[in-house]
Amino acid sequence: KQEVTQIPAALSVPEGENLVLNCSFTDSAIYNLQWFRQDPGKGLTSLLLIQSSQREQTSGRLNASLDKSSGRSTLYIAASQPGDSATYLCAQAGTALIFGKGTTLSVSS
Amino acid sequence: EAEVAQSPRYKITEKSQAVAFWCDPISGHATLYWYRQILGQGPELLVQFQDESVVDDSQLPKDRFSAERLKGVDSTLKIQPAELGDSAMYLCASSQKFPRNEQFFGPGTRLTVL
Repeated sequence: KQEVTQIPAALSVPEGENLVLNCSFTDSAIYNLQWFRQDPGKGLTSLLLIQSSQREQTSGRLNASLDKSSGRSTLYIAASQPGDSATYLCAQAGTALIFGKGTTLSVSS
Repeated sequence: EAEVAQSPRYKITEKSQAVAFWCDPISGHATLYWYRQILGQGPELLVQFQDESVVDDSQLPKDRFSAERLKGVDSTLKIQPAELGDSAMYLCASSQKFPRNEQFFGPGTRLTVL
C-alpha cells in the first residue's frame, strides 16, 4: 500500500527561525508532489508544485525540494513569522493521489 | 482571481437523512476531485472526474455515496443515508489536466451527522 509520511507531526518555533518540514513517499512513479497550507477549519491553499522532472521550486520565503530516488521532499521556510502558523500537507500525484497527515506549525512572537 | 466554489459551507443533519454537496471548479479545469478529510488526517480521495467521466472512485463507499458531473462542469456529491461516521470536511478541488497540473481547493463543507 502506498503511503505519504510527514515528520514531525507538530513543530513549535520562535519567530525568525528557519525550519524544514519533511515528506516521504513510497511511489517511485510520481508525476508531481504538491505542498499545501491549511488553516483551522479551512480549505487547502497550494504553496508549491514540483514536477517529477524538477529538483526544487521556490516562492518567496518557501523552497521545496524533491528527491525521487530516495522518496523524499522537504519544505524549507525561511525567517518564520507568526502568520506562518498552520498545518502543512504534502501530496503525491502518481499511481494514486495520496496526502500525508500534515505537520502543524506554531510560530511564536 | 478564479476560485473553486462549494456550498453549503456547513451542514448539520441527522443520521439516515440524505445530504448533497455542490462544487463549481475553476473555469476551464477539466479535472475535478472530491475528498473527505477527518479531523487530524490528510484528505482522502473519494472520486476523480475527467470532464464528465469518473476516472477513479475506488475509495467511494458506493452503497451510500454517489457523485455526478453531468455536463463536465459543476459536480454534486450525495450521501444517502448519512451515518455518524460520515461527519467530516468534504473538499472539492480542480486542476487543468491530471496529473501534471496544480490542484486548487475550495473552502470545503463541514458535515456534522447527529
